[in-house]
Amino acid sequence: AQSVAQPEDQVNVAEGNPLTVKCTYSVSGNPYLFWYVQYPNRGLQFLLKYITGDNLVKGSYGFEAEFNKSQTSFHLKKPSALVSDSALYFCAVRDPNNDYKLSFGAGTTVTVRA
Amino acid sequence: DTGVSQDPRHKITKRGQNVTFRCDPISEHNRLYWYRQTLGQGPEFLTYFQNEAQLEKSRLLSDRFSAERPKGSFSTLEIQRTEQGDSAMYLCASSPWGGVEAFFGQGTRLTVV
Repeated sequence: AQSVAQPEDQVNVAEGNPLTVKCTYSVSGNPYLFWYVQYPNRGLQFLLKYITGDNLVKGSYGFEAEFNKSQTSFHLKKPSALVSDSALYFCAVRDPNNDYKLSFGAGTTVTVRA
Repeated sequence: DTGVSQDPRHKITKRGQNVTFRCDPISEHNRLYWYRQTLGQGPEFLTYFQNEAQLEKSRLLSDRFSAERPKGSFSTLEIQRTEQGDSAMYLCASSPWGGVEAFFGQGTRLTVV
């Protein structure tokens, strides 16, 4: 079975500082990994994905994520956080052998203070 | 707007009533998914359609839940005899054949009182 862990319920950073949101996963075989963001009372917005290739993937709004197979991690990063980045972030994994079902972490609330 | 559309956005119902939600996927996306999100949790998979065929149902989808996608376009999710535990955000997503990421709608928030 596939699963995702987001070890931090909350991350607080000052505007302009680097932002990191942690994610570890468990899946048989090579995973498909995703980050989504959710603003209050809204659906999920896709940020980026890792399928294969370069371990550092770039996505929307200046976000990037690094895939680390040995540590089974896929941490989300942004070099300089904005107040508007304050939201709920979800990491998700998909087993390529089951090409439809996403398993999500519990989410990390990011607060960027001015 | 060419994104995934869900209706209604909010629904308040009394326990024991039936409710039905609608999802219109992105045009030409042949895959459609329903997820449920409760407070403080990530979305949980409920069911999946490829065109009009429902290919998998989660164990979370009790007999009171039924989903359809009759013509392979929009989908409906019906909950019969609602219970307070059904209160959640119901999210619909779609993806094209061969696509990897799923695109989500804004969700229907159900409150059972």
